[in-house]
Amino acid sequence: QSVLTQPPSASGTPGQRVTISCSGGSSNIGSNSVNWYQQLPGTAPKLLIYTDNQRPSGVPDRFSGSKSGTSASLAISGLQSEDEADYYCAAWDDSLNAHYVFGTGTKVTVL
Amino acid sequence: EVQLVESGGGLVKPGGSLRLSCVVSGFTFRNVWMGWVRQAPGKGLEWLGRIKSKADGGTTDYAAPVKGRFTISRDDSKNTLYLQMSSLKTEDTAVYYCTTGELVAHWGQGTLVTVSS
Repeated sequence: QSVLTQPPSASGTPGQRVTISCSGGSSNIGSNSVNWYQQLPGTAPKLLIYTDNQRPSGVPDRFSGSKSGTSASLAISGLQSEDEADYYCAAWDDSLNAHYVFGTGTKVTVL
Repeated sequence: EVQLVESGGGLVKPGGSLRLSCVVSGFTFRNVWMGWVRQAPGKGLEWLGRIKSKADGGTTDYAAPVKGRFTISRDDSKNTLYLQMSSLKTEDTAVYYCTTGELVAHWGQGTLVTVSS
């Protein structure tokens, strides 16, 4: 089961700002960087944000990430219909052997 | 362009075995740590394990639910990553993705494994 907790859903109208939280612990978010993935319906996940707040080439700057302590957040500003997808946070966890842990996932709906 | 193409999925009976392959292109495979992630139908993402590059020791780490049943290996001469699965259970039914690096940055399209009698 996931050790990173996200709200199951979030929604907004086009143009609004939506924020997704990701809560972890000292062995994962508290000591390692956070990555975020976007999964559009029926497709493989895609890296959206890495190392807490960096965007890979091609990712619009309306996606932003932040981290504080053992929590992280993904913000989508200027929400667009094509942003309707599942979003997952993830981080390496130093407990036991190194494991990569994903968040529970958040479904973003554009109203 | 980075490409990862999984194959080998299918229907298998509980207790059976299956080997998945992931052929990669667009980067120097031997230098990159690789991993596997799965997604059960309608569920979230689950990290399964990783294999380091041979230069970094080639060692493997596994998630608890698959440790001892699944084995990750690589053939750098063939640019191919493998996932050998044994003692399969119905709860192993999922789409299996191969992934690259510590950022888990690139993903294949996935291959579906169905474990059912």
